[in-house]
Amino acid sequence: DAKTTQPPSMDCAEGRAANLPCNHSTISGNEYVYWYRQIHSQGPQYIIHGLKNNETNEMASLIITEDRKSSTLILPHATLRDTAVYYCIVRVAGADGLTFGKGTHLIIQP
Amino acid sequence: DAGVIQSPRHEVTEMGQEVTLRCKPISGHNSLFWYRQTMMRGLELLIYFNNNVPIDDSGMPEDRFSAKMPNASFSTLKIQPSEPRDSAVYFCASSLSTGVNQPQHFGDGTRLSIL
Repeated sequence: DAKTTQPPSMDCAEGRAANLPCNHSTISGNEYVYWYRQIHSQGPQYIIHGLKNNETNEMASLIITEDRKSSTLILPHATLRDTAVYYCIVRVAGADGLTFGKGTHLIIQP
Repeated sequence: DAGVIQSPRHEVTEMGQEVTLRCKPISGHNSLFWYRQTMMRGLELLIYFNNNVPIDDSGMPEDRFSAKMPNASFSTLKIQPSEPRDSAVYFCASSLSTGVNQPQHFGDGTRLSIL
C-alpha cells in the first residue's frame, strides 16, 4: 500500500471548517483513499473514501488533487466532539486489512 | 441501525487463563476482521473471514490465538494460554464484502489486561 504522510497534530476553532491534509505521492491508479477517525476509548469510525473524484457525505468532504498525490478531509463546521485522531489510509485492491499510520490529532478549541 | 457489537468491553484476567472475545457483525455484512491495537504497534490486522470462512490468518501472532466464525452473526477470538504481552485493545470490524470499495465498520473494542 502507498505510504501516507499527515501532520501529527492540528488545532481548529469550534464552528470553523477543519481541513486535514494527507500526502500519498506514491499512490497507484487502483488505490482508494480512506479516512477514519478514532475518538478516545472508541473504535475507529469510518468517515469517507474516494478514488479520484471529490466526495461528500453527511460527515465530511474529501478533496483529491487531480494527480491524486494528496487529499484533504474537510469537516465543514467543527464541534468539540470532532476532537479525535484522524487517519488517512490508502487501500489497494487485494489488501483486505487496513493499515493505520499515526494519523493527525485534531483538537477543536472552544 | 446496530453497529458491530463486541463483548466484553473490558477483561482483566491472570496470565495462563483462557480469554474469549466475542463479536457480532452488522447484519448483512459478509466480511469480518479482527484487529489488535497497542501503543507500540498501532492497529494490526490479525485475521479476517469472508462468508464465515477464514481467508487470511497471517497476522495471528502465535498458536495461542485462534478465531472462529460459526455463523454469519457471531465470531470469537480466543487466547489460550494468555500472557501479559497480549494486553491490548482488540477490535472487530465488518464490511459488506472484502472489496476495496467497501468500508469496514468497527466495534468499540475489548480492552484486555493480562496480569
